[in-house]
Parts: sequence; C-alpha cells; structure tokens
Amino acid sequence: DTQMTQAPSTLSASVGDRVIITCRASQSIGSWLAWYQQKPGKAPKLLIYEASTLENGVPSRFSGSGSGTEFTLTISSLQPDDFASYYCQQYNSHQAAFGQGTKVEVK
Amino acid sequence: EVQLVQSGAEVKKPGESLRISCKASGYNFVTYWISWVRQKPGKGLEWMGRIDPSDSFSDYSPSFEGHVTISADKSTGTAHLQWSRLQASDTAIYYCARAYSSRYPFDSWGQGTLVTVSS
Repeated sequence: DTQMTQAPSTLSASVGDRVIITCRASQSIGSWLAWYQQKPGKAPKLLIYEASTLENGVPSRFSGSGSGTEFTLTISSLQPDDFASYYCQQYNSHQAAFGQGTKVEVK
Repeated sequence: EVQLVQSGAEVKKPGESLRISCKASGYNFVTYWISWVRQKPGKGLEWMGRIDPSDSFSDYSPSFEGHVTISADKSTGTAHLQWSRLQASDTAIYYCARAYSSRYPFDSWGQGTLVTVSS
C-alpha cells in the first residue's frame, strides 16, 4: 500500500505569509494526488486534484505542484479564512490514503 | 445540487451493532463510488473502504477489513457502514464521500456522523 507523509504537522503563520506544505508518497503515484481543506466541525473540502488542478471556486492563491513521490501545496498569501487543516490524498490505486494532515495556525 | 446526507449521531455500548447511512441526491447514484472515511477525535483522516453501487463491489483498507461492512442500496440511493460488534476505539466521526472511480478525488462529502461507543 502507498503511504503518504505530510510535513509539517503544524505550521504557525500570519496573514499575508506564503505557506508551503509538502507531501511525500512511499512510491510513485504519478499525478494522482488531491489536497483537501478541513475546518473544525466541518467535512473536508476538495481544493486541488491531479496534483495541480484547482477545483471550481477555489481561490487562485492556492496552487499545487509535483509528480511521482513529491508534492507541494502553496498558499501564496495566507488569508484569515485559510487557517485550517490540510490533507493530501493519493488516489493512484483503488486503496486511497491520506497524509497525517497539517494544521495552519495563527502565529 | 449534489448532496450526501448522513444519518444522525449515535451513542452505543461496546459489543453492540450499528449501521449508519449516507443518502445521495442530485446525481445518478450508481455512477460514483462511495467511500467511508474515519476521523478520530483530534486526529487525521483515514480511508476505510469503498463501494461501487453499480455492482456492490467493495474493498477495504487492511486496517478495517473484517471489522466493518460497506453496502449500498440502489433503490434508495443510500450507502451504509455497518459494525457487528462495536469497540470503544470505534468512537469517531465517520464521513462518506463520492469519487467518480479509482482515479478521481473525493469531490463531495457528507456532513459526518459522530459515533460514540462507551460503557
């Protein structure tokens, strides 16, 4: 099974900061990677799929890159609404898997 | 509008059985797989397994195989997650989510069902 490792687990940042979250797969998954945002008490929300494609309605300050085993989620200028947890997920195989998550908190 | 609406919170005792549901609307139920995802209190997301409602084929994460059963009812557009014997460690929020097939992300999620197992 493909394991996903995210870093960091917690990130302290301020409004306006550039934020980068990384995700590593234990084996190549091509570009079959998604990023989700989750706020407390809410279901996850799809942000990016196929490693770099923005879901409809997601602000352009979010971007994704990478392929194979190394991926990044970048928030170009952190906004107040972006303080949340973020998860990567591989869907290369019929067995999906999530990273452990990254909590973006107020510095 | 695509919606996945889950059943309400449950409080159960260890050893009891439970089935929770996820009712789909706004799309053709049989054209999207439904997965179940666990989130323990304060923890991350864990993929449990999925079902293809068109033929009811299901597969599970090794971590959950044998402990839960996923099923789907085409006539009502509803997917289910079932336990025959709950454990305290099953206390969590459970989400259903849909994906078009194996190489598609989860583009719509249910609101979550809180299951509390306590003696």
